Amino acid sequence: SAVISQKPSRDICQRGTSLTIQCQVDSQVTMMFWYRQQPGQSLTLIATANQGSEATYESGFVIDKFPISRPNLTFSTLTVSNMSPEDSSIYLCSVTLAGGFMDEQFFGPGTRLTVL
Amino acid sequence: AQTVTQSQPEMSVQEAETVTLSCTYDTSESDYYLFWYKQPPSRQMILVIRQEAYKQQNATENRFSVNFQKAAKSFSLKISDSQLGDAAMYFCAHSEGGADGLTFGKGTHLIIQP
Repeated sequence: SAVISQKPSRDICQRGTSLTIQCQVDSQVTMMFWYRQQPGQSLTLIATANQGSEATYESGFVIDKFPISRPNLTFSTLTVSNMSPEDSSIYLCSVTLAGGFMDEQFFGPGTRLTVL
Repeated sequence: AQTVTQSQPEMSVQEAETVTLSCTYDTSESDYYLFWYKQPPSRQMILVIRQEAYKQQNATENRFSVNFQKAAKSFSLKISDSQLGDAAMYFCAHSEGGADGLTFGKGTHLIIQP
């Protein structure tokens, strides 16, 4: 197992601003992913965070809106840019662990974002 | 494209009884992975159980077991001896493995009646 932390745990932001969410893992990681969970909804994959290269985005998500960095194996950031109330969601990072099953994802505690 | 369908928005069960949550999925792959995740009010996603599609044996983790029917593309979760702490949203998820992310169903809200 691993400890996956996210900062901040929650935030309230004004429309038009940006927020950067951090995800840190205390173990060696192979893959890192970012998901969005809109209020009362399921989780939707935003992108795969690739170490040292551009993230791979899912249909409907673009780099200008959700820039992602992954400077090393155990750390990634997701920025929500030019926010609108529709961006109010829980944002979660997930990882697969080195030495574990390649398909088995473990999730961070999530960041609850409210945009006014 | 992969899809995951959970047809039960909400289920209720008496404490100590058994409940089964349904999940169906669609994929064109022959090799893939299926999961059940639990999300309590704390919103932490907790992996409950994992199934490899190429394994015919149903996965089991203590009180949690699955009924995996590959031909029917069905993956139900059985919770035995339900406990109050089992109350949560349960999400069924599919992955084609490796670098792929998860595709989730809409979830089933499980209520445990004391």
